[in-house]
Amino acid sequence: KNEVEQSPQNLTAQEGEFITINCSYSVGISALHWLQQHPGGGIVSLFMLSSGKKKHGRLIATINIQEKHSSLHITASHPRDSAVYICAVRLIETSGSRLTFGEGTQLTVNP
Amino acid sequence: DARVTQTPRHKVTEMGQEVTMRCQPILGHNTVFWYRQTMMQGLELLAYFRNRAPLDDSGMPKDRFSAEMPDATLATLKIQPSEPRDSAVYFCASDKRGPITGELFFGEGSRLTVL
Repeated sequence: KNEVEQSPQNLTAQEGEFITINCSYSVGISALHWLQQHPGGGIVSLFMLSSGKKKHGRLIATINIQEKHSSLHITASHPRDSAVYICAVRLIETSGSRLTFGEGTQLTVNP
Repeated sequence: DARVTQTPRHKVTEMGQEVTMRCQPILGHNTVFWYRQTMMQGLELLAYFRNRAPLDDSGMPKDRFSAEMPDATLATLKIQPSEPRDSAVYFCASDKRGPITGELFFGEGSRLTVL
């Protein structure tokens, strides 16, 4: 079983829809990252969370430390949001430096 | 606009050749990571440095890979000799560790193809 599990693996939505991507982890963490990767492109860190909720534009990330769960929400989705979204956690047991990655969620937003 | 800079962006080489990838972390960042991304394995940590000292290179095949930070503005990842299974995108990332850990920034990646 992976330490970090994302769902769904693939998601197709229509422009304007509200999107949720989930991430569950099984170990103690010091922080959780949501990353975005466009096709053939680099990786951008969207959020770094250790508790609560963060918002940036149409993106919202939440984390529940007790439940070991985080969600990434996209409101009013747009075709330019099409990308792979990756959840990554910093494990406490490795002094918090090593990131463990989920397998990613491929999001396609159709116009 | 601060960014992590990687070179080369693309490299095609023949099996057995030496490959060197370079990374310039964001000025002031004290932690530098090398990651490899493949379709099969996803993102994997190869090595990372803090204040130029290697802290963890357990993810790196030691017989052919080496990572160094000759100075605070340059990190290198070398493969010698290269093999087709090394074909991947190699990402460098940096952040600033201290009482408060900063955001992690990734470079654009170096896409390596070994024929």
